[in-house]
Amino acid sequence: EADIYQTPRYLVIGTGKKITLECSQTMGHDKMYWYQQDPGMELHLIHYSYGVNSTEKGDLSSESTVSRIRTEHFPLTLESARPSHTSQYLCASSDGRSYNEQFFGPGTRLTVL
Amino acid sequence: QKEVEQNSGPLSVPEGAIASLNCTYSDRVSQSFFWYRQYSGKSPELIMSIYSNGDKEDGRFTAQLNKASQYVSLLIRDSQPSDSATYLCAVKADTGRRALTFGSGTRLQVQP
Repeated sequence: EADIYQTPRYLVIGTGKKITLECSQTMGHDKMYWYQQDPGMELHLIHYSYGVNSTEKGDLSSESTVSRIRTEHFPLTLESARPSHTSQYLCASSDGRSYNEQFFGPGTRLTVL
Repeated sequence: QKEVEQNSGPLSVPEGAIASLNCTYSDRVSQSFFWYRQYSGKSPELIMSIYSNGDKEDGRFTAQLNKASQYVSLLIRDSQPSDSATYLCAVKADTGRRALTFGSGTRLQVQP
């Protein structure tokens, strides 16, 4: 059982607000990821991190930013939310020593009005 | 051509039958292969990983890998209605890209 947590699970917010989606894992994994997924659609990698102070953009261009100041914590921030940001955001982590098995958090469903 | 291809389905099988899900990948240097199950509105759950050619069995699930033909498959024996979900194939190359590449998933429906 993977110990990876995301908060909030659901968020409804107005346009222009700044939001931060939290992701934490207690497994000591060095790698962490953020994916975006619309209902019934593919997973799209938007950010990943190999370790503290290491972040890179993924395949899908995103207006969000991430930080990795602590191993266990990988928050995602949207400075000014727009309706186009409405989606499910999934955080995942993996231990590079175990063939990169990725474990996902429960997700945050974001709705921007 | 997508890096990881799956038939979107839906694949419909009767309860108790064997469900066969297939995945092909384009990057020959891929070394690690994973199957995830995703229920509607939920996050993906890792159910199988396979790294060597051949079969790997875990309960009702069997993953099959053929690197020469660049395909990986998942067999679900004695399918149950609770197996109805989208199954995602994911591939990891040991060089270059450092994250998993996911297919778009195959939706499985098990009819009672």
